[in-house]
Amino acid sequence: EAQVTQNPRYLITVTGKKLTVTCSQNMNHEYMSWYRQDPGLGLRQIYYSMNVEVTDKGDVPEGYKVSRKEKRNFPLILESPSPNQTSLYFCASRTVNQETQYFGPGTRLLVL
Amino acid sequence: QQQVKQSPQSLIVQKGGISIINCAYENTAFDYFPWYQQFPGKGPALLIAIRPDVSEKKEGRFTISFNKSAKQFSLHIMDSQPGDSATYFCAASISNTGKLIFGQGTTLQVKP
Repeated sequence: EAQVTQNPRYLITVTGKKLTVTCSQNMNHEYMSWYRQDPGLGLRQIYYSMNVEVTDKGDVPEGYKVSRKEKRNFPLILESPSPNQTSLYFCASRTVNQETQYFGPGTRLLVL
Repeated sequence: QQQVKQSPQSLIVQKGGISIINCAYENTAFDYFPWYQQFPGKGPALLIAIRPDVSEKKEGRFTISFNKSAKQFSLHIMDSQPGDSATYFCAASISNTGKLIFGQGTTLQVKP
């Protein structure tokens, strides 16, 4: 089944404790992206990657890091999480020739 | 310049009625305007999309109306059904770039 998977789906952590949210897609998509969803703000793009070893900032990159060493994986790293990073996070992917993005199921993060 | 403004924030419609959600943008370089549908606990999924070379696109009960001069576009859901109850996001992007800008979202409830 073609899909985007994210792990973990739910995470509670404390301020300052480094964490990684994984994202993997099995559709051989070149493009991958991370978004955060907050009430009243919609989805906001954090980082995106047009292909392996190519990443770029979205609208809200502060406090996040990403890497794209393999085509199928695009992990989101929070080196020192803070409470304002409590949110619902989505990973998405698409081919470079089509604009339709396929979203993962989301990761709900709570930073205490 | 990068903002997409969406209204209303919430909408209640009777079964069989027409649901209308509006979006406005500022950046005239945007050339792809998708609408995503999100059910609780799920990631967003593409519903319908339009490019600015047409003024209207229809897929089943869903229609996008696009007004390039006013920099506005809207989603019309005809014969709304309880199964349409979801959160709807408009978005805008520039082709061949990685950025996708979302509106704030509209929560639609269709009453039986």
